Amino acid sequence: DVKVTQSSRYLVKRTGEKVFLECVQDMDHENMFWYRQDPGLGLRLIYFSYDVKMKEKGDIPEGYSVSREKKERFSLILESASTNQTSMYLCASSLEVRSLPNSYNSPLHFGNGTRLTVT
Amino acid sequence: GENVEQHPSTLSVQEGDSAVIKCTYSDSASNYFPWYKQELGKRPQLIIDIRSNVGEKKDQRIAVTLNKTAKHFSLHITETQPEDSAVYFCAAPTGYSTLTFGKGTMLLVSP
Repeated sequence: DVKVTQSSRYLVKRTGEKVFLECVQDMDHENMFWYRQDPGLGLRLIYFSYDVKMKEKGDIPEGYSVSREKKERFSLILESASTNQTSMYLCASSLEVRSLPNSYNSPLHFGNGTRLTVT
Repeated sequence: GENVEQHPSTLSVQEGDSAVIKCTYSDSASNYFPWYKQELGKRPQLIIDIRSNVGEKKDQRIAVTLNKTAKHFSLHITETQPEDSAVYFCAAPTGYSTLTFGKGTMLLVSP
């Protein structure tokens, strides 16, 4: 069974702090993702990575950066935390499957989430 | 990019009733449509998916239907049970490697 582990379940940080959210997967998946979940807004993609040291912006990358130095680990960085970044953050991984555009069909495996509060 | 609309945002049913959640998508080239279920305090998990070469897929009490002409797909849950209470997300592929999710439907099944 795929295991995606997020380092913290709850995190409280102050405005302006640099925040690191860590995610590790144990299934040798090529793809890793960071989503943000807010009530009424669903799951919004922040960044994703399809290979070590590779990263792509998602729909809401502003105020975030990522790091993927090893295949199994994908970190989300808030350079200077702000109150509007208070949210639930979900990491996910998936197997890379060669596909045509708009036909991506590899299941996402999510972590349990990190609830970040910025005060 | 892909735009996925999901309705309703909340749905309350009595145990034993059926529940239907609908999604529309914008990119006619999309051809894979998964549904994820997120129970309270837990992670989202894939429960069923459909590819565009079929119009319907069933797995016990859940089914998904797809209408490519109208660009919409639906999740059907029959004989609902309290353990079906959760938030359900539909999704459609964007580009080569990502999914765009709908905003979610909170389903509440009352005993």
